[in-house]
Amino acid sequence: EVQLVESGGDLVQPGGSLRLSCAASGFTLRSCAMSWVRQAPGKGLEWVSSLSDRGTTTYYAASVNGRFTISRDDSKNTLYLQMDFLRAEDTAIYFCAKLGGGSGYDYVDDWGQGTLVAVSS
Amino acid sequence: EIVMTQSPATLSMSPGERATLSCRASHNLGSKLAWYQQKPGQAPSLLIHSASTRATGVPARFSASGSGTEFSLTISSLQPEDFAVYYCQQYNIWPPGQFGQGTKVEIK
Repeated sequence: EVQLVESGGDLVQPGGSLRLSCAASGFTLRSCAMSWVRQAPGKGLEWVSSLSDRGTTTYYAASVNGRFTISRDDSKNTLYLQMDFLRAEDTAIYFCAKLGGGSGYDYVDDWGQGTLVAVSS
Repeated sequence: EIVMTQSPATLSMSPGERATLSCRASHNLGSKLAWYQQKPGQAPSLLIHSASTRATGVPARFSASGSGTEFSLTISSLQPEDFAVYYCQQYNIWPPGQFGQGTKVEIK
């Protein structure tokens, strides 16, 4: 059974940094692409970033490009999102998402339960 | 950049009724469109991929169709557990995971 467990969400001041983790089980991260999707309070879903199955290709939404970095540790089967220069508008629940294919252009076939990031002074 | 437009924003329906949700894309997606259901306080879950293929375990009352720029999701007979928010998502064109703004199906 596929399981995705996010952690690392917290209250942080504007301009600060945070690293989110997503521990995967039931499959290996090398077998598929992965994404982070966020949802601001009371709002819709927003794609944030994707990592290809080979770990060599990354994609970022314009709103986070240059501030966020997606990566993974295959030895820990864990996906990460390093978030720097955080802004109030980054406040959201961040979901870890397993894609149905390897390229980064695919649907999400499994979701984590999410971790809350709040950016406020 | 691609724009995904869902309509209506809210659909007020009674249990047992047939619901039809629409998703329109600003560019040709072929069949690379997915539908998700999200209930309050929960993560989304996959309903449909490849425009019309039901995900594993999704009841047959959910069906979807379309290609190119026009897509639809139909719930043939609304059950109490179907009242939720539904999102479409394209995965053909940059940005690779663009979502629509969602349609809320609420009890009338």
